[in-house]
Amino acid sequence: QKEVEQDPGPLSVPEGAIVSLNCTYSNSAFQYFMWYRQYSRKGPELLMYTYSSGNKEDGRFTAQVDKSSKYISLFIRDSQPSDSATYLCAMSAAQGAQKLVFGQGTRLTINP
Amino acid sequence: GAGVSQSPSNKVTEKGKDVELRCDPISGHTALYWYRQSLGQGLEFLIYFQGNSAPDKSGLPSDRFSAERTGGSVSTLTIQRTQQEDSAVYLCASSLAGGRAFFGQGTRLTVV
Repeated sequence: QKEVEQDPGPLSVPEGAIVSLNCTYSNSAFQYFMWYRQYSRKGPELLMYTYSSGNKEDGRFTAQVDKSSKYISLFIRDSQPSDSATYLCAMSAAQGAQKLVFGQGTRLTINP
Repeated sequence: GAGVSQSPSNKVTEKGKDVELRCDPISGHTALYWYRQSLGQGLEFLIYFQGNSAPDKSGLPSDRFSAERTGGSVSTLTIQRTQQEDSAVYLCASSLAGGRAFFGQGTRLTVV
């Protein structure tokens, strides 16, 4: 079993829809949770960063962490065609002391 | 510079040759990561440097792969006797602390 599980998709939704992306993990030591967006032929771009459990909102994006269930989510409201990309979750166990562990990434397409 | 810089952006090499990939992290970042991404796949961890600590080399796939980080800044990933299965995008990231890592655009390596 992988430390971080993420459905690779592909996921295709119409413009304006709410998108829900999820990851589960097995290592209870993970405390830092991130979402990256990666456009084709580009490096991953840090989108959201959360410490421990709770919600974080930034514009149309909301990140949720439920440590009791070992489950994290990224919601995209009012999705736009420019949101079409691969979304990767990542997590690490301790501040500056552990490598980032990534999910496989979910390929998302927003159809106009 | 403003972000993580990687060079070259593209590299084509013949099977059996050695290659060196370079990463210039964000100034002041103490942690540096190397990942590999094959076509349509997630990020595969290779090696992690944190300050003056011994690097975490647990992800290096074989002894043909090595990396060093000079003066706590620039890092070089070396692949000896390249094989076709080494063809991938090699991504470097750096962070200050807490896993908030920023990626370069990657080096696309093609072994022919």
